[in-house]
Amino acid sequence: QQPVQSPQAVILREGEDAVINCSSSKALYSVHWYRQKHGEAPVFLMILLKGGEQKGHEKISASFNEKKQQSSLYLTASQLSYSGTYFCGTVYSGAGSYQLTFGKGTKLSVIP
Amino acid sequence: KAGVTQTPRYLIKTRGQQVTLSCSPISGHRSVSWYQQTPGQGLQFLFEYFSETQRNKGNFPGRFSGRQFSNSRSEMNVSTLELGDSALYLCASSLGLADREGYGYTFGSGTRLTVV
Repeated sequence: QQPVQSPQAVILREGEDAVINCSSSKALYSVHWYRQKHGEAPVFLMILLKGGEQKGHEKISASFNEKKQQSSLYLTASQLSYSGTYFCGTVYSGAGSYQLTFGKGTKLSVIP
Repeated sequence: KAGVTQTPRYLIKTRGQQVTLSCSPISGHRSVSWYQQTPGQGLQFLFEYFSETQRNKGNFPGRFSGRQFSNSRSEMNVSTLELGDSALYLCASSLGLADREGYGYTFGSGTRLTVV
């Protein structure tokens, strides 16, 4: 079952902050975040494991709320280079649930 | 170090034909996964291989198959192509089990398949 991302799209001015959410109806074991620029391959940003702490990557960080089965990606002081489509990928808890299932993505546009 | 290499980059096939796509993972990576990406459906999981064994398969018809060789290189095959198979096919490799061991995927640039 595909995780649900929100918002579907967001436009920011340079320097503004954004939050992208990823929700699942099933218990999660881990959440991945990737960014894909137009015409390029998705690039790994970070992974959050069940029971793990909030991760950070420069001005991009993420959290994982196990009770709500939700992860959020935080982009602070956005730069033009942050533009792209952000995907969350989820792995469900339980036996036999190995695949990484991606949400439909959030298109982020940063303008000057 | 070299990234994930997918060949060919572009492919045009006719309905009914079959196609084989190739993926060479990063050296040392043992896990290879395949995804189909389309504007409407996003990234759809096809299958994952680890040490030559298929661990999981997505919800695709039997026309889609794959395999992994002892050197971790992987191929996927689509038989009896349909117009709806037109998509970007992405291969991703991981050092270990991305789902359970905390490794992220490194994606290749993909093979753009067009079925006419």
